[in-house]
Amino acid sequence: EVQLVESGGGLVKPGGSLRLSCAASGFDFGTSSMSWVRQAPGKGLEWVSSISGSQTFIYSSDSLKGRFTISRDNAENSLYLQMDGLRAEDTAVYFCARGESVGSTWYHFDSWGQGTLVTVSS
Amino acid sequence: SYVLTQPPSLSVAPGETARIICGGENIGTKSVHWYQQKAGQAPVLVMYYDRDRPSGIPERFSGSNSGNTATLSVTRVEAGDEADYYCQVWDTTSDQYVFGGGTKVIVL
Repeated sequence: EVQLVESGGGLVKPGGSLRLSCAASGFDFGTSSMSWVRQAPGKGLEWVSSISGSQTFIYSSDSLKGRFTISRDNAENSLYLQMDGLRAEDTAVYFCARGESVGSTWYHFDSWGQGTLVTVSS
Repeated sequence: SYVLTQPPSLSVAPGETARIICGGENIGTKSVHWYQQKAGQAPVLVMYYDRDRPSGIPERFSGSNSGNTATLSVTRVEAGDEADYYCQVWDTTSDQYVFGGGTKVIVL
């Protein structure tokens, strides 16, 4: 069974940093494309960033303007999101998701974690 | 950047058919995927590659995609189908994932 468990969320002040983690199990993590998707309170889904299994392809939302960095450790079956320069509008539940991709073309997310809440407030 | 447009809400009586639309320029040339999200839960994939159902998703769910509109149809709607539904594509022009704004399906 595919399992994705996020951690690392919490309360952080504007301008601060936070690192989210996603522990994966039940599938071949090293060959799987992974992504972060967020959802602000009462709002819709917003894609954040994606990384291929071999780390050949890394994509991020233009709206983030380079503040967030996705990475992975295939030996540890873990996905990470380093978030710097946090703003109030980054307050959201952050989901880890497994994706389907072929080369530089990406498709759907077939498994999701339960999410971790990040709150940016002074 | 590419934009997907969904109506904010849709009300349907039990036993009827819900047709959830997702509009986008030439969306028929893209692969469209759909997610169901119930209150307080993570999204669940209910349709991929326009019309393929993941295992465990009832046959009552079907999808189509042509021209500027993709549609997720749910026949014989049940109370348990009440949820937010999101369409999603990969925009090859910008190398970005795009989600629609979501449609809240209300079962009367």
